Amino acid sequence: GENVEQHPSTLSVQEGDSAVIKCTYSDSASNYFPWYKQELGKRPQLIIDIRSNVGEKKDQRIAVTLNKTAKHFSLHITETQPEDSAVYFCAAGLSQAGTALIFGKGTTLSVSS
Amino acid sequence: DAGITQSPRYKITETGRQVTLMCHQTWSHSYMFWYRQDLGHGLRLIYYSAAADITDKGEVPDGYVVSRSKTENFPLTLESATRSQTSVYFCASSERGNYGYTFGSGTRLTVV
Repeated sequence: GENVEQHPSTLSVQEGDSAVIKCTYSDSASNYFPWYKQELGKRPQLIIDIRSNVGEKKDQRIAVTLNKTAKHFSLHITETQPEDSAVYFCAAGLSQAGTALIFGKGTTLSVSS
Repeated sequence: DAGITQSPRYKITETGRQVTLMCHQTWSHSYMFWYRQDLGHGLRLIYYSAAADITDKGEVPDGYVVSRSKTENFPLTLESATRSQTSVYFCASSERGNYGYTFGSGTRLTVV
């Protein structure tokens, strides 16, 4: 089955800096890669996702890149703000009926002002 | 997001007792999922369901039972709770396959 590794487990940056979180997956058939943000005490919420037919996707200060050959994908946050502080989870799965996402262990991002 | 609700929000139970966590969604989403969240382990898939009366095991199904007699409900039962099942449990739903999961608010379960 799918296995997702996520690094780093913790990341501290200064406000305005960029943050990068990386994930690798094991199942070469996986073709859907979402990222979730979880604030303290709250539920995970989808912030961006990418499918295997796309190499990069951007949404304002957030971007995700995918390298299918190397089986890794990354989340890039530019111009970080204190409200970006949260736990970020990557996930991988098959975009087809009858399957479910497998998540990485999470990255705790701290943005200090 | 009020369309998916979990109950109870908090639960304390004793070792060996049976406990059921409820999950209800109002969107008529086909897919529903149960994950547990533990420090250092992230979100681990327990069970999922592609439709009423169809369920499949995830990464950590041992000690759990699910059912899905109605599309909108997906209860998770711990048949004989153990301390290792102390965790935060999240239910999620999705309209189709692995797309746009929406999570419930979670149930914090403590087994003493």
